[in-house]
Amino acid sequence: NAGVMQNPRHLVRRRGQEARLRCSPVKGHSHVYWYRQLPEEGLKFMVYLQKENIIDESGMPKERFSAEFPKEGPSILRIQQVVRGDSAAYFCASSSQGAFEQYFGPGTRLTVT
Amino acid sequence: AQTVTQSQPEMSVQEAETVTLSCTYDTSESDYYLFWYKQPPSRQMILVIRQEAYKQQNATENRFSVNFQKAAKSFSLKISDSQLGDAAMYFCAYRSGRNGQNFVFGPGTRLSVLP
Repeated sequence: NAGVMQNPRHLVRRRGQEARLRCSPVKGHSHVYWYRQLPEEGLKFMVYLQKENIIDESGMPKERFSAEFPKEGPSILRIQQVVRGDSAAYFCASSSQGAFEQYFGPGTRLTVT
Repeated sequence: AQTVTQSQPEMSVQEAETVTLSCTYDTSESDYYLFWYKQPPSRQMILVIRQEAYKQQNATENRFSVNFQKAAKSFSLKISDSQLGDAAMYFCAYRSGRNGQNFVFGPGTRLSVLP
């Protein structure tokens, strides 16, 4: 009964480096959502993807951030040229077509030094 | 855009007592879902309880129950017989009934349980 998997769980990057966060949804789920949680705050929506398509990226910063969900393999959230303000926990959630419930992964804690 | 407000940044309760966490939301939609999530120090998001807006009956899951007031747009969580393991951040969340919509989370309430 594999739930949503995220790796790495912890990621440390120096300013200016790239961060790649991976998310494997629940088997059979075709919808993936990425959320960001800054310290002492709630989760904020970033992007919603279906296989090979970005459906809603209204919460994603316009620069340096990108996301994909290829036909095969995990969803990737990519942050280029990281800055200290990118330090946060990044959560992935998945759902099946037509379902209202989302299942959350354990999150990736990104620390930018 | 929908918003979710949790007006209590921190709450505390004595072990075995009852506590109520508040949540209000703003929406113009009639079809939606509401959730309470628990986030312990491990940071894993754990679903506590959910409520479909079209259901008048308040949801209940063991020691957890909600008071859903649709007209007032209020969705409070009641925890009965509080246990030390209930200590965590609690987030109220809204999801539109339209297909494929993301969750909108409140800022959270930190609950402490006193022995």
